[in-house]
Amino acid sequence: GESVGLHLPTLSVQEGDNSIINCAYSNSASDYFIWYKQESGKGPQFIIDIRSNMDKRQGQRVTVLLNKTVKHLSLQIAATQPGDSAVYFCAENMAGNTPLVFGKGTRLSVIA
Amino acid sequence: AAGVIQSPRHLIKEKRETATLKCYPIPRHDTVYWYQQGPGQDPQFLISFYEKMQSDKGSIPDRFSAQQFSDYHSELNMSSLELGDSALYFCASSLGLRQSGNTIYFGEGSWLTVV
Repeated sequence: GESVGLHLPTLSVQEGDNSIINCAYSNSASDYFIWYKQESGKGPQFIIDIRSNMDKRQGQRVTVLLNKTVKHLSLQIAATQPGDSAVYFCAENMAGNTPLVFGKGTRLSVIA
Repeated sequence: AAGVIQSPRHLIKEKRETATLKCYPIPRHDTVYWYQQGPGQDPQFLISFYEKMQSDKGSIPDRFSAQQFSDYHSELNMSSLELGDSALYFCASSLGLRQSGNTIYFGEGSWLTVV
């Protein structure tokens, strides 16, 4: 069935190091992927998205990589800061007005 | 920039009562989505609307209903509340059928506690 999941539920990194958060998806028809950051008690905050016709997209301190061959998505955060501590979700959907399907979140903890 | 506005932010209801949550999408956004997030869980899709018509339906209980009004705001009505309905309810909005660049943005959520 359709599912989006994350490999690790928690990730701890030292401040200043790079973080890599992974996500696996099973629906090969998905063509749009989004990473969201969710701080405690707040709504998911859009970080970056990528479409299936791309394999890499960069933002400010963040990079998303998409490997369609193995249905894998990753979020790289450069020079991780304490403010990056949050739960990160990947989400996917297909072209058209289909709802986002969220994967299980990864809690990122930044150690000062 | 204007974001998705949800109200109320916090709501406490007793079992078997009803509750109504409101969502005001980003200006000019015509699509609204409702999600439910239990403690420590990922957001679960409930229902969505495009141009005031239901566009998709997820795991929304029959006790819940929703609609989108002419000004594109949406309301989620929950009746016969159960303890298990306690959760954070998110509304999200986007512009039109998902096309290039039409990202889905979330509100800050409404906390519903059923006691």
